[in-house]
Amino acid sequence: DTGVSQDPRHKITKRGQNVTFRCDPISEHNRLYWYRQTLGQGPEFLTYFQNEAQLEKSRLLSDRFSAERPKGSFSTLEIQRTEQGDSAMYLCASSLSGVDTGELFFGEGSRLTVL
Amino acid sequence: SQKIEQNSEALNIQEGKTATLTCNYTNYSPAYLQWYRQDPGRGPVFLLLIRENEKEKRKERLKVTFDTTLKQSLFHITASQPADSATYLCALDHLGAGNKLTFGGGTRVLVKP
Repeated sequence: DTGVSQDPRHKITKRGQNVTFRCDPISEHNRLYWYRQTLGQGPEFLTYFQNEAQLEKSRLLSDRFSAERPKGSFSTLEIQRTEQGDSAMYLCASSLSGVDTGELFFGEGSRLTVL
Repeated sequence: SQKIEQNSEALNIQEGKTATLTCNYTNYSPAYLQWYRQDPGRGPVFLLLIRENEKEKRKERLKVTFDTTLKQSLFHITASQPADSATYLCALDHLGAGNKLTFGGGTRVLVKP
């Protein structure tokens, strides 16, 4: 399968713990995005990378959230000291810059439940 | 403030009829608008893109219109089928901002046989 893959698909954690999600984009895509989606809402933009550069992170929800893409391939999203309000689906997407269509290719998401 | 609004009420429709969904936006200047389909527990899947200088775009049983004066897009599913049941999301960029899409809240469509 050459689509966007995310791991883990489901994560249950206790409040105060740290969690990390991984995203492997489509191999030739140089842009990678993280979105968060809560029940009944549309995806909410968090941050994005072009290659290894994080071009926008102002939408990361607090300083407990951080993302990396060290070699311009896979990316990780870390949430420190989780809170119950962090429970959501975390979606990763990738795209190719310069392509006219601008469509995003999403993974299946990582669902986080904070107890 | 910037806002993208989709009808949050589910749309129930009989098989074979046309489903019409709306997407309204304020305080955006999109270069294009996209529509995605999302099934429960899955990631969104791209359906169609329409640019600001295009009035209408079609793909199989799907049709999208874009009126930048009204700041509205309409999404039509003709000859609807139960397999079309899903949530449909509109998304737009702002000032061509590098594929950074902002999504509406989505409209759930239920097609009854």
